[in-house]
Amino acid sequence: DVKVTQSSRYLVKRTGEKVFLECVQDMDHENMFWYRQDPGLGLRLIYFSYDVKMKEKGDIPEGYSVSREKKERFSLILESASTNQTSMYLCASSFAGANNQPQHFGDGTRLSIL
Amino acid sequence: AQSVTQLGSHVSVSEGALVLLRCNYSSSVPPYLFWYVQYPNQGLQLLLKYTTGATLVKGINGFEAEFKKSETSFHLTKPSAHMSDAAEYFCAVSDSGGGADGLTFGKGTHLIIQP
Repeated sequence: DVKVTQSSRYLVKRTGEKVFLECVQDMDHENMFWYRQDPGLGLRLIYFSYDVKMKEKGDIPEGYSVSREKKERFSLILESASTNQTSMYLCASSFAGANNQPQHFGDGTRLSIL
Repeated sequence: AQSVTQLGSHVSVSEGALVLLRCNYSSSVPPYLFWYVQYPNQGLQLLLKYTTGATLVKGINGFEAEFKKSETSFHLTKPSAHMSDAAEYFCAVSDSGGGADGLTFGKGTHLIIQP
């Protein structure tokens, strides 16, 4: 089975801190994604990556950056955390190719910014 | 740009009754369509997907969905609800332009099962 592992289930940080969310997948997937999930808004794409060191902005990239130094690892960075970034963050991965490849999700990181 | 509309943020059915969760999409190209389920405190799990071919798609846990191009719909059904089906359900669309773009999700439908 595909395993997408997010380093923390729950995280509490303070306003202004630099925050790192880590995601690792074990299926040699080319594509990796970061979403945030908020009640009533569903999932919104922050950033995605289709190869090592490659990244593309999603729908809501403001206030975030990403890093992909190795194929299996995709990090989401909050440069200076703010309270409006309190949310559930979900990482996903998939094989490359046409967009019929399903995405496999981690269990999420519930981040609270105080 | 593509979009997904899920009608009803909450749907309540009795155990044993038919489950119907509605999803309509807009896409300028033939879409790929997905249904995901999210149980409490977990990530999303793929229920089923439509790519090409047969328009009636069967998934896990007894769920199925039918792609209707004329109605731009991809509704999810299950003949008989079980208590374990209580969860959040998301419909998602991806266009067929190729590449690695992320999915566009609906806002989700919370399915409640009454005993």
